[in-house]
Amino acid sequence: AQTVTQSQPEMSVQEAETVTLSCTYDTSESDYYLFWYKQPPSRQMILVIRQEAYKQQNATENRFSVNFQKAAKSFSLKISDSQLGDAAMYFCAFLIQGAQKLVFGQGTRLTINP
Amino acid sequence: KAGVTQTPRYLIKTRGQQVTLSCSPISGHRSVSWYQQTPGQGLQFLFEYFSETQRNKGNFPGRFSGRQFSNSRSEMNVSTLELGDSALYLCASSLAFLAGGRGTDTQYFGPGTRLTVL
Repeated sequence: AQTVTQSQPEMSVQEAETVTLSCTYDTSESDYYLFWYKQPPSRQMILVIRQEAYKQQNATENRFSVNFQKAAKSFSLKISDSQLGDAAMYFCAFLIQGAQKLVFGQGTRLTINP
Repeated sequence: KAGVTQTPRYLIKTRGQQVTLSCSPISGHRSVSWYQQTPGQGLQFLFEYFSETQRNKGNFPGRFSGRQFSNSRSEMNVSTLELGDSALYLCASSLAFLAGGRGTDTQYFGPGTRLTVL
């Protein structure tokens, strides 16, 4: 069975600074995807970034980037130049290629201080 | 393209009743997955439908069921509601190629249906 662990229930950062959210996962599969989703107070789950396990290059999306360490089964999210609109619950999620079952971590609540 | 839509957005029911939630996927998406979100258990996978067939099922009792129509719209039903069924129910859609496909497994979520059981 796959598990996803987010060890930081809450994080805070000053506006314009950089913050890193941690995620580790456990699986015996070799072909899978990893995602970060954000869920603001509206509760809409929004895709932030996606990483395919077979790709060694870390994914980036504007101010968001990941540090994917496959051997260590680690998948952290770095948010640069934090903005007030980044405040949300962030979920790390795992999905086996070809299966449509996302396994989520417990989430990290990110607060942005002005 | 329009995003995933879910109706209704809010529901209040009493114990013992049943409820049906609806999800319309992004146009062209063939897979619809359902998740339950509660403060205690977090996000848990309920089931996934593809081409009107349930392909995956999570660890939920038989009171939770679903179906998918030929236009990929999906419904989930919960019978004999219990207080513990109070949750945010999220639907997600993806293109989901058949086995062997790649790059299409990203799931896009709807706004959710907030179900309160009294």
